Amino acid sequence: DVKVTQSSRYLVKRTGEKVFLECVQDMDHENMFWYRQDPGLGLRLIYFSYDVKMKEKGDIPEGYSVSREKKERFSLILESASTNQTSMYLCASSNLDRGLSQPQHFGDGTRLSIL
Amino acid sequence: AQSVTQLGSHVSVSEGALVLLRCNYSSSVPPYLFWYVQYPNQGLQLLLKYTSAATLVKGINGFEAEFKKSETSFHLTKPSAHMRDAAEYFCAVSVGTGGFKTIFGAGTRLFVKA
Repeated sequence: DVKVTQSSRYLVKRTGEKVFLECVQDMDHENMFWYRQDPGLGLRLIYFSYDVKMKEKGDIPEGYSVSREKKERFSLILESASTNQTSMYLCASSNLDRGLSQPQHFGDGTRLSIL
Repeated sequence: AQSVTQLGSHVSVSEGALVLLRCNYSSSVPPYLFWYVQYPNQGLQLLLKYTSAATLVKGINGFEAEFKKSETSFHLTKPSAHMRDAAEYFCAVSVGTGGFKTIFGAGTRLFVKA
């Protein structure tokens, strides 16, 4: 089974801090994604990556950056945390091969609170 | 532009009753469609996917969905609800090349009454 592991289930940080969320997948997937999930809004894509050192902005990239130095690891960085970034963050990965029909595999999420 | 609309943010059914969760999509090209389920304190997991091979798609846990191009719909059904089906359900459409982006609906929370 595909395993996507997020480093923390719960995290509490203060405004202005630099926050790192880590995600590792074990299935050699090319694509990796970071979403935030808020009630009533579903999942919104922050950033995605289709290869090592490659990154693309999603729908809500402001205030975030990402790093993909190794194929299996995709990090989300909150440069200066703010209270409006309190949310559930979900990491996902998918196989690039065979086009659009590949589903995404998700981690269990990190519930981040910014105080 | 592609989009997904889930009708009803909350649906409540009795145990043993039919489950129907509605999803409509908008896509300029033939879509790839998915249903995911999220149990409390977990990430999303795939229930089923439509990739044009068959309009009626069977998934895990007794769920199925029917692709209707004329109605641009991909509704999720299950003949008999079980308490363990209580969760949030997301419809999604895959866009672009290489499967880079998936657009998710806002989600429908299913409540199952004993």
